[in-house]
Amino acid sequence: KAGVTQTPRYLIKTRGQQVTLSCSPISGHRSVSWYQQTPGQGLQFLFEYFSETQRNKGNFPGRFSGRQFSNSRSEMNVSTLELGDSALYLCASSLQGAYGYTFGSGTRLTVV
Amino acid sequence: DQQVKQNSPSLSVQEGRISILNCDYTNSMFDYFLWYKKYPAEGPTFLISISSIKDKNEDGRFTVFLNKSAKHLSLHIVPSQPGDSAVYFCAAGMNNNAGNMLTFGGGTRLMVKP
Repeated sequence: KAGVTQTPRYLIKTRGQQVTLSCSPISGHRSVSWYQQTPGQGLQFLFEYFSETQRNKGNFPGRFSGRQFSNSRSEMNVSTLELGDSALYLCASSLQGAYGYTFGSGTRLTVV
Repeated sequence: DQQVKQNSPSLSVQEGRISILNCDYTNSMFDYFLWYKKYPAEGPTFLISISSIKDKNEDGRFTVFLNKSAKHLSLHIVPSQPGDSAVYFCAAGMNNNAGNMLTFGGGTRLMVKP
């Protein structure tokens, strides 16, 4: 079965711009979570969507937002990009529970 | 406040020997713990998990030990193989109605030398 697909794989943006990242979960998975990975910081939880509703939110500024569509695909948006937003953004989908997480390969965002 | 910590950023082990990766946590409300393995340019893949009601879980070459009183868990890989070279993350979660969320440690880079 197809895995979790994230697009694009790589992205370079300029400070102040905004960016949208996409995640297509495994078919049948209704929960999509987003994480930010930076060197030495591990994975930091951004938010989780379930059936088009944000169910959980991490400790990130309001510049980070997301949404989920009726087909469970999810997008996350970062506005007014800062250099510190450069990171690998990972999405994970599951049927239920974080036990069943499957991660995508991530989108590498570089802000210059 | 880092609730899950992996204090060793890297570990080097000879092929065939045991690799021991450690993880400490501060929140006693965590109900389960997982280990993920990550290769460059790929997402993390699930390795093994343990419920907070157990103290050991084994799967082939991988064993996870949980010491709740010390708030410490460890992953043992025996015997270590060069293909095990990757970054390993421990993560913790809670069983509640707040949805899915894992708290991850900073990762340990394991290098297994042939």
